Amino acid sequence: QVQLVQSGAEVKKPGASVKVSCKASGYTFTSYYMHWVRQAPGQGLEWMGIINPSGGSTSYAQKFQGRVTMTRDTSTSTVYMELSSLRSEDTAVYYCAREGVSVYGMDVWGQGTTVTVSS
Amino acid sequence: QSVLTQPPSVSGAPGQRVTISCTGSSSNIGAGYDVHWYQQLPGTAPKLLIYGNSNRPSGVPDRFSGSKSGTSASLAISGLQAEDEADYYCQSYDSSLSAHYVFGTGTKVTVL
Repeated sequence: QVQLVQSGAEVKKPGASVKVSCKASGYTFTSYYMHWVRQAPGQGLEWMGIINPSGGSTSYAQKFQGRVTMTRDTSTSTVYMELSSLRSEDTAVYYCAREGVSVYGMDVWGQGTTVTVSS
Repeated sequence: QSVLTQPPSVSGAPGQRVTISCTGSSSNIGAGYDVHWYQQLPGTAPKLLIYGNSNRPSGVPDRFSGSKSGTSASLAISGLQAEDEADYYCQSYDSSLSAHYVFGTGTKVTVL
C-alpha cells in the first residue's frame, strides 16, 4: 500500500540543524511531488516547501528561505528536509505529504516527526 | 499568519448538519484555485477529506461535502457523528505569496 514513513523524534539545541527523512513506498516515487508541512504545539498547519523528486527542483516558503533545504534520493525513494539555525519556535511536528495527481491536494501523509528545540 | 480564515470552532448534536467556512481573497480562492479540506483527528496526521472543491477521495463518507463560491469555500458535515470530532483545515494556492500553498486557520468540530 502507499505509505510515507518518517524518521524518529529529534531533540536539538538552539542553533543546531535537523534533518528529517520521509521514505515512500507503494507507488512510483518520481511521479509525485512532495510537500513538507509543520505544526507547532496547539497550532495550525504551516506549509514549508515542495520538492519534485524527479528532477530535484524545490520551492520554499519565504519564511524558511535560507534555512531549509529539501533533497531527495531516488535510489531509496526518500526525501529529506533539513532545517538549520534552529530556534525554540521551530519546535513542531514535521510532516511530509504527497501531492496527488488524479486526486489533487495532499493525498498521502507521513506519520509526522516531532522536533524539539531546547537548551 | 494564514491567509485563509476559518471559524475557530463549530459544534452540533449527533445527526445535525454543520458547516465550516473558509474565507480567502482574490489571490487565492477568488483567483480560481482549488480548495481542499483535511480532517485531523487528535494525535494523528491530517487526512485528505475533500479535493478540488467538492470531490471526495475513495473511502470518505458522502456525509462530507464541499463547495466554493467567489472568494470562499465551505465544508458541510451532515448526519454528524461522534467520530467526526476533529480539527478541519482548508487549503489552497496563493499567487501573491512565496508561501504558495496556504492552509486555513483551522476549525475544531465538537459533537455535543
